[in-house]
Amino acid sequence: SQELEQSPQSLIVQEGKNLTINCTSSKTLYGLYWYKQKYGEGLIFLMMLQKGGEEKSHEKITAKLDEKKQQSSLHITASQPSHAGIYLCGADMGYNFNKFYFGSGTKLNVKP
Amino acid sequence: DGGITQSPKYLFRKEGQNVTLSCEQNLNHDAMYWYRQDPGQGLRLIYYSQIVNDFQKGDIAEGYSVSREKKESFPLTVTSAQKNPTAFYLCASSWAPGTQYEQYFGPGTRLTVT
Repeated sequence: SQELEQSPQSLIVQEGKNLTINCTSSKTLYGLYWYKQKYGEGLIFLMMLQKGGEEKSHEKITAKLDEKKQQSSLHITASQPSHAGIYLCGADMGYNFNKFYFGSGTKLNVKP
Repeated sequence: DGGITQSPKYLFRKEGQNVTLSCEQNLNHDAMYWYRQDPGQGLRLIYYSQIVNDFQKGDIAEGYSVSREKKESFPLTVTSAQKNPTAFYLCASSWAPGTQYEQYFGPGTRLTVT
């Protein structure tokens, strides 16, 4: 979706390294979701952020929503091969309360 | 175990044939969704349903049709009018309509039309 830009498009890191994925919008986000997808499979919910400045963590993954609610980052600490996959952000852009907009995804490969 | 099932995982069809993709959920969710995913692109919404016997078009509904006769089921038919049907199709559901509710996704169906 052009409404949400994800960067980088792909990432290769060495096991044990930290990494950050960004999801950016030119408009205010009313809700931001992070999902993980393994190739050829469905999406697995990671975290939801709704308030400006909000930060949530699950195991070694931390997601933040900036104060302006226009950018979110997903940070993985001490990456492992199990973190490999495609990370997608999805957001409520405020146009239609039923509809999520999704970014194009970031492919993460973790080298052992 | 509660969840969403999609079948089949892989589907092959000849051009000009209609094909129906199955989506079933036992989560007692009211809302269900169909998305299409193409390489290098995010998910695009095809149709969604807020409640039984109701459904609405998403961004790319042309060439697709759906039905919602039962709460648990939301089948998607890809018709011969869909110009580029080869894609990965994902079904999702949520407790209620609205983006404040997390969507749960099925494993997907990869459709190839030749």
